[in-house]
Amino acid sequence: DGGITQSPKYLFRKEGQNVTLSCEQNLNHDAMYWYRQDPGQGLRLIYYSQIVNDFQKGDIAEGYSVSREKKESFPLTVTSAQKNPTAFYLCASSRTRGSSYEQYFGPGTRLTVT
Amino acid sequence: DAKTTQPNSMESNEEEPVHLPCNHSTISGTDYIHWYRQLPSQGPEYVIHGLTSNVNNRMASLAIAEDRKSSTLILHRATLRDAAVYYCILRDVVKGGSEKLVFGKGTKLTVNP
Repeated sequence: DGGITQSPKYLFRKEGQNVTLSCEQNLNHDAMYWYRQDPGQGLRLIYYSQIVNDFQKGDIAEGYSVSREKKESFPLTVTSAQKNPTAFYLCASSRTRGSSYEQYFGPGTRLTVT
Repeated sequence: DAKTTQPNSMESNEEEPVHLPCNHSTISGTDYIHWYRQLPSQGPEYVIHGLTSNVNNRMASLAIAEDRKSSTLILHRATLRDAAVYYCILRDVVKGGSEKLVFGKGTKLTVNP
């Protein structure tokens, strides 16, 4: 089955530690995205990538880093510089050409930093 | 970013139709209207999208006002599995053509048995 996988589902870290969240897709999509969701809020875009080896900052990129070395993979690192890292993180992918293609979302990773 | 306005919450009974409204008075001529929904503790899923004409698919219908300043997502017969947060989003095309979706708080739909 085609889709997006994120692992792990729950992640716990101590303050001051960097942590990397995994996102893999087998949909052959060019574009991938990372969003953050806080309780009761909508999603906010952290980073996005339209093609391998290229990515752009979204609305709240500070304290995060990404890489896009393979088309299928778009890992997100939450660094110690991120002031409020506890949140629900969602990865998505989409095609990039044609009319309005939908984004497909993964199941999310819930990160708790104490 | 073009903004949308939705009611915070709505309630419906099972088996009845649900009309979820969305206002987008600042929509531009090339903005698509997307709807996504998010079940608790899950990622959002695409529901439907449209530009000018009304649209139907297996999940829902989308009715778009003639002036495009508002739209309505229609669930023809609500089920308990339709209880979710529904987001109305305008497509914002970033440099290069991929889609930047700007999510508001959405409408939380409660379906009563």
